[in-house]
Amino acid sequence: KNEVEQSPQNLTAQEGEFITINCSYSVGISALHWLQQHPGGGIVSLFMLSSGKKKHGRLIATINIQEKHSSLHITASHPRDSAVYICAVRSNQFYFGTGTSLTVIP
Amino acid sequence: DTAVSQTPKYLVTQMGNDKSIKCEQNLGHDTMYWYKQDSKKFLKIMFSYNNKELIINETVPNRFSPKSPDKAHLNLHINSLELGDSAVYFCASSSAGEEQYFGPGTRLTVT
Repeated sequence: KNEVEQSPQNLTAQEGEFITINCSYSVGISALHWLQQHPGGGIVSLFMLSSGKKKHGRLIATINIQEKHSSLHITASHPRDSAVYICAVRSNQFYFGTGTSLTVIP
Repeated sequence: DTAVSQTPKYLVTQMGNDKSIKCEQNLGHDTMYWYKQDSKKFLKIMFSYNNKELIINETVPNRFSPKSPDKAHLNLHINSLELGDSAVYFCASSSAGEEQYFGPGTRLTVT
């Protein structure tokens, strides 16, 4: 069983929809990362969280340490948000989720 | 200027060869990482270096060895390449406890 589980694996949304991607983990962590991998392959770090909530533009990330759960929300989704979103946690080492492939249709 | 750069971008080589992938960061970060992304797009950390000391060393084959000549560089050497080494290798860097910045990746194909 993977230490980090993401859901859903695949997600298709209409432009403008509110999107939520979930991440659950089973290890003690010092930080949780949300990464975005573009169709071209490049990886960008979106957020690093150890508690609470962070917001960058239309993206919001939350974490509940007690429940070992994090969510990534995208408001007013746009086709350029189409990418794979990866949850990663830092414990004694880094563990990665298998990613959520998001497609936003115009 | 590119923050984290990797060379080469593509590398095609035969089984049994020895190859290196170079990584450089100009962000002044003190920690650098190497990741492997397999054909199923699953990311796994291989190594990280902090101030020239190895601080995470995953259970990777000892054919893989990181070399850090200075704080701005972390090169990945691979000996006796095998078919299963074919993957995309990403370098990244960060300051302690901060977000990571990723390089563009190196696609290694072993034939």
